[in-house]
Parts: sequence; structure tokens; C-alpha cells
Amino acid sequence: AQSVAQPEDQVNVAEGNPLTVKCTYSVSGNPYLFWYVQYPNRGLQFLLKYITGDNLVKGSYGFEAEFNKSQTSFHLKKPSALVSDSALYFCAVTGAGSYQLTFGKGTKLSVIP
Amino acid sequence: EAGVAQSPRYKIIEKRQSVAFWCNPISGHATLYWYQQILGQGPKLLIQFQNNGVVDDSQLPKDRFSAERLKGVDSTLKIQPAKLEDSAVYLCASSKDLDTQYFGPGTRLTVL
Repeated sequence: AQSVAQPEDQVNVAEGNPLTVKCTYSVSGNPYLFWYVQYPNRGLQFLLKYITGDNLVKGSYGFEAEFNKSQTSFHLKKPSALVSDSALYFCAVTGAGSYQLTFGKGTKLSVIP
Repeated sequence: EAGVAQSPRYKIIEKRQSVAFWCNPISGHATLYWYQQILGQGPKLLIQFQNNGVVDDSQLPKDRFSAERLKGVDSTLKIQPAKLEDSAVYLCASSKDLDTQYFGPGTRLTVL
């Protein structure tokens, strides 16, 4: 069975500082990895994905994520946080050839002005 | 390109009543998903359609939940009868292939 762990329920960071939201995964075979963001009373918005290739993936709004196969991690990063980045972030995984996305429980990011 | 549409956005019902949610996916997306998101948790897949056929409904509580996608485009998810524990946000998503899923705004269901 595939699974995702987001070890931090909440991450606080000062505006302008770099941010990291952590994600580790377990899946059979090669993983497809995704990050989504959810604003209050909104659906999930796609940020970025790793399918294959370069381990550093760039996505929307200046976010990037680094795939680390040996550590089975896919941490989300941004060099300089904005107050508007405050939201709930979900990591998700599926195995190659599978449709079924398994989500983590989410990490609430608060960017403090 | 229009996104995934869902209605209603909010619904409040009494337990044992029935409720239905509607989803219209992004044009051209063959695969449609329904997820349940309970407060404080990540979304959980309920059912997945490929065109008008069911691919995976292993986590759908079939004694009370049903879903259809008759013409391979829009879809309806129904709960009958509703229980208190069904209170959640119901998310619809669609994808073109085995790749990125795009989500609608969700329907927030409260069962009293």
C-alpha cells in the first residue's frame, strides 16, 4: 500500500525567509509525486509534480521541490516566503501506471509579516 | 480553460436524509474522481471513472453512497441515508491521463 507522511502539522516562517514543508512517501515501484495547496473554502490547486528526470522540480508561484529517492522524500521549498503563501499544503503520491492518489494529512503554513 | 465545476458549494441536511452533488469536469478529461475530505485530513478517494465506466470504487461505502457518470462527462454523487460522520468536503477532480488531477472547489456537507 502507498502512503505519505507530512510530519509537521504546522510550519511558521517569517516573510522573506526561506520555507520548507516536508514530505516522505512509500510506494511500490517508481513514484509520481505531487504538491497541492488549499486556501480556505477552496479546492486543491496543483503546484508541481515529479514524474521522472531532474530531481529538482519547479512549479507555480516560485515553489520548487526536491525528489530524493534514497530518503524517499519530496520536500517543498521556496526561497523567500510571502504572506499570501499562508495556506494548507498537501503532498500526494501514486505509483507509476496507477490512477490512485494518496494524500498526506496536510501541513498548515503560516507566513508571519 | 474552464476548471472543474461543482454544485452546490454548501449543503446542510438532517441525518437519514439524502443528498446529491454534481460535478462537471474539465472539457476533454476522460477520468473523473470523487474524494471525501474530512476536517483535518487529506482527501480520500471514493470512486474513479474512466469515461462512463468505474475504474475503482473500493473505498466507496456502497450501502449508502452511489455515483454515476452516464454520458462520460458530468457526474453525480449521492448519499442516502446520510450519517453524522458523512460531514465533510466532497471534492471532484478530473485528469486527461495518468497524470495531474485538477480539483473543483468542493461541496461542504454538514449532517445534523
